[in-house]
Amino acid sequence: GAVVSQHPSWVICKSGTSVKIECRSLDFQATTMFWYRQFPKQSLMLMATSNEGSKATYEQGVEKDKFLINHASLTLSTLTVTSAHPEDSSFYICSARGTAGQKGGKLFFGSGTQLSVL
Amino acid sequence: GESVGLHLPTLSVQEGDNSIINCAYSNSASDYFIWYKQESGKGPQFIIDIRSNMDKRQGQRVTVLLNKTVKHLSLQIAATQPGDSAVYFCAENILGGAQKLVFGQGTRLTINP
Repeated sequence: GAVVSQHPSWVICKSGTSVKIECRSLDFQATTMFWYRQFPKQSLMLMATSNEGSKATYEQGVEKDKFLINHASLTLSTLTVTSAHPEDSSFYICSARGTAGQKGGKLFFGSGTQLSVL
Repeated sequence: GESVGLHLPTLSVQEGDNSIINCAYSNSASDYFIWYKQESGKGPQFIIDIRSNMDKRQGQRVTVLLNKTVKHLSLQIAATQPGDSAVYFCAENILGGAQKLVFGQGTRLTINP
């Protein structure tokens, strides 16, 4: 079964509103979680690396004030798309890395969230 | 055959044939490589991985080959089945503070009956 739960699986919102996406590791503790964005027929692009209890590290070109990441516990990271616009419509995917003693330090992916901004 | 489109390259093979998907990675310092399968509307699914101190690793119906000299990775799928139709991505683990995983372009594999 799934070891990383991502919610919601799809969301439709109006332009200018904010949307929160949750990523949970179900049976292991994840000190590091990653957030990716994927446009149709393209690859996954890393947006940011989220470490529990510290500020996220954003990739070049990703607006930290627009994509707010919170990693408040070892099992939960959230991505909030603030003031969403149609160009933010995309498939957002999270992944979680277990510690060396949990899941062998491997990376597990959520099922993704399809965001559509009208 | 294999072709490069505007976005994802595509590869079409007959059911039962073997397929080879290629990937060029970017960072010579990467120490770990993974192949993922992604079906439409879903997250990536782990297929097989290989560490940089190896040049070949076999799984069930799949084999990954690593050529560090030319920074090339390939995924071989034996006796393809309709369920193998998907987009395949290679990913490299780039050493650094957070050891981030960076994905390659991806290849769409279509299995013809």
